[in-house]
Amino acid sequence: NAGVTQTPKFQVLKTGQSMTLQCAQDMNHNSMYWYRQDPGMGLRLIYYSASEGTTDKGEVPNGYNVSRLNKREFSLRLESAAPSQTSVYFCASSVGHSSGNTIYFGEGSWLTVV
Amino acid sequence: EDKVVQSPLSLVVHEGDTVTLNCSYEVTNFRSLLWYKQEKKAPTFLFMLTSSGIEKKSGRLSSILDKKELSSILNITATQTGDSAIYLCAVERATGANNLFFGTGTRLTVIP
Repeated sequence: NAGVTQTPKFQVLKTGQSMTLQCAQDMNHNSMYWYRQDPGMGLRLIYYSASEGTTDKGEVPNGYNVSRLNKREFSLRLESAAPSQTSVYFCASSVGHSSGNTIYFGEGSWLTVV
Repeated sequence: EDKVVQSPLSLVVHEGDTVTLNCSYEVTNFRSLLWYKQEKKAPTFLFMLTSSGIEKKSGRLSSILDKKELSSILNITATQTGDSAIYLCAVERATGANNLFFGTGTRLTVIP
């Protein structure tokens, strides 16, 4: 019962460092997403991949890049981390794009940039 | 600008109380409204509402959509400590790149 698995769960970075958040799903879903959740802001979409081979910007893409490596995996990269990127990051997947009732979330990655 | 607003932001009740959480929205090309429960980590799906006036029910939880008032409520009766969570409302658009808009959530705390 893995569902959506994301790593690492916790990370502390120094300003300017880079890192990649990894995400994998085992539900044969077509669409995958990266969200960030900040206090008082709700979940905001960073990037999404509607299907294998495609990626598109969401609401807050600046400072991030993504790779849809294959149908299962969707990674999020911070090239030069900034304190404003301190947040909780959620990967999610769904059967089709924006099928809100079929979206499954990973357990989150807590990132602190100092 | 599309937006989803939830109220109250937080709520503390005693076990056994009934609570009503609110969600209002302004979204173009509305398709559906969804409720999620977020305990310690991942949000989990509760309800999807597409038609006005039709109540969705699951145990002690129920929800209804009012498309005229652009709002929805989530009711929880006979609350238990296990209902303590953040409840997220999201609205799905029929078109556009970013189709799922989330509200900020209501943090519910149920005390024994």
